[in-house]
Amino acid sequence: DAGITQSPRYKITETGRQVTLMCHQTWSHSYMFWYRQDLGHGLRLIYYSAAADITDKGEVPDGYVVSRSKTENFPLTLESATRSQTSVYFCASSKTGWNGYTFGSGTRLTVV
Amino acid sequence: DQQVKQNSPSLSVQEGRISILNCDYTNSMFDYFLWYKKYPAEGPTFLISISSIKDKNEDGRFTVFLNKSAKHLSLHIVPSQPGDSAVYFCAASAGGGTASKLTFGTGTRLQVTL
Repeated sequence: DAGITQSPRYKITETGRQVTLMCHQTWSHSYMFWYRQDLGHGLRLIYYSAAADITDKGEVPDGYVVSRSKTENFPLTLESATRSQTSVYFCASSKTGWNGYTFGSGTRLTVV
Repeated sequence: DQQVKQNSPSLSVQEGRISILNCDYTNSMFDYFLWYKKYPAEGPTFLISISSIKDKNEDGRFTVFLNKSAKHLSLHIVPSQPGDSAVYFCAASAGGGTASKLTFGTGTRLQVTL
């Protein structure tokens, strides 16, 4: 199916575990982004990528790792999950020349 | 430091009336502004945008106004419908309309009542 998909939709993990959130888009958009949504903070940028093999930090990158070996995939890894990383994570993509992102449906992550 | 602020966490409006959602920003480099709408358990969806070279942009029932001197923008929804009940996020970028990082506000929850 065309679009942007995130998996899993829901994840519960324990403190200290590594967890990877997946994001896949079928449009070949150059830009991809990871945001987290928290009450009182809105959406905050974690990492973004302008193209395959090009990534850069956003506002809240600590504790997260990203990679982008293929244009269509942009996984987000929490190296050692902490309770403060409990959040809803949104992936988004955008084609060059247009500022309007298309978001995935989100992953709700709970760290216990 | 919150560069994009939505000071009203919630707003309740009767069906058929006007909804006005406000957003303030502090970064003078921002030159492109967007509004996103978000329903529960879904990702935000793009609603309307405005470039800093304009002061108004209209799309059907939705109009965005930009006051650069006050660093303020607002979204007007006329007439409001029950399906408009959602969280609205204001966003800004310094990319000149090209794909770049968006900075989001904290959101305003709009409830349209019958």
